[in-house]
Amino acid sequence: NAGVTQTPKFRILKIGQSMTLQCTQDMNHNYMYWYRQDPGMGLKLIYYSVGAGITDKGEVPNGYNVSRSTTEDFPLRLELAAPSQTSVYFCASRRGQVDQPQHFGDGTRLSIL
Amino acid sequence: KNQVEQSPQSLIILEGKNCTLQCNYTVSPFSNLRWYKQDTGRGPVSLTIMTFSENTKSNGRYTATLDADTKQSSLHITASQLSDSASYICVVVGSTLGRLYFGRGTQLTVWP
Repeated sequence: NAGVTQTPKFRILKIGQSMTLQCTQDMNHNYMYWYRQDPGMGLKLIYYSVGAGITDKGEVPNGYNVSRSTTEDFPLRLELAAPSQTSVYFCASRRGQVDQPQHFGDGTRLSIL
Repeated sequence: KNQVEQSPQSLIILEGKNCTLQCNYTVSPFSNLRWYKQDTGRGPVSLTIMTFSENTKSNGRYTATLDADTKQSSLHITASQLSDSASYICVVVGSTLGRLYFGRGTQLTVWP
């Protein structure tokens, strides 16, 4: 049972560099999400997708981009990394009904130095 | 403003003891409320989901309660185990667009 898989698990970037955080799920879920979790804070929604080809902004989208070319994959792109983007990033997915739980990956720990 | 507040921020208990975690919310309109367990270095895992019509839901040693009138929920853990050490996150789902509102979590530590 793979569920939601995120890669890499850890990464250190220099200010101004770019990278893509990968997320894939094997549950055929339509809905996928990207969150960031800062120390002592609740998760904040960056972007979400309701199906292949459809994405929308969450609470904190600035500095990030996403794409959803397939049902399985939902990569998150950081352009021009900044220290404020140091965080733990979680990808999640769920089935269509709003009362279904979200399934989370184990996160990517990203430090911008 | 839609908010989810959890208390206490952290809690230490001895193995075998019971404990109760609190969640107050202002999210409206409300669809359902969830409790997640997040182990260190892992993603959150769903424990319970309750709609506004449900008062209590259990999952093994975990029992969640909901009072939709006062907008309060609690998570009761019975006969705690070392493996219960984790952060417990209260999540409220708004019925408009199904948006999730996350609490900051209660960090529970169970000592032997």
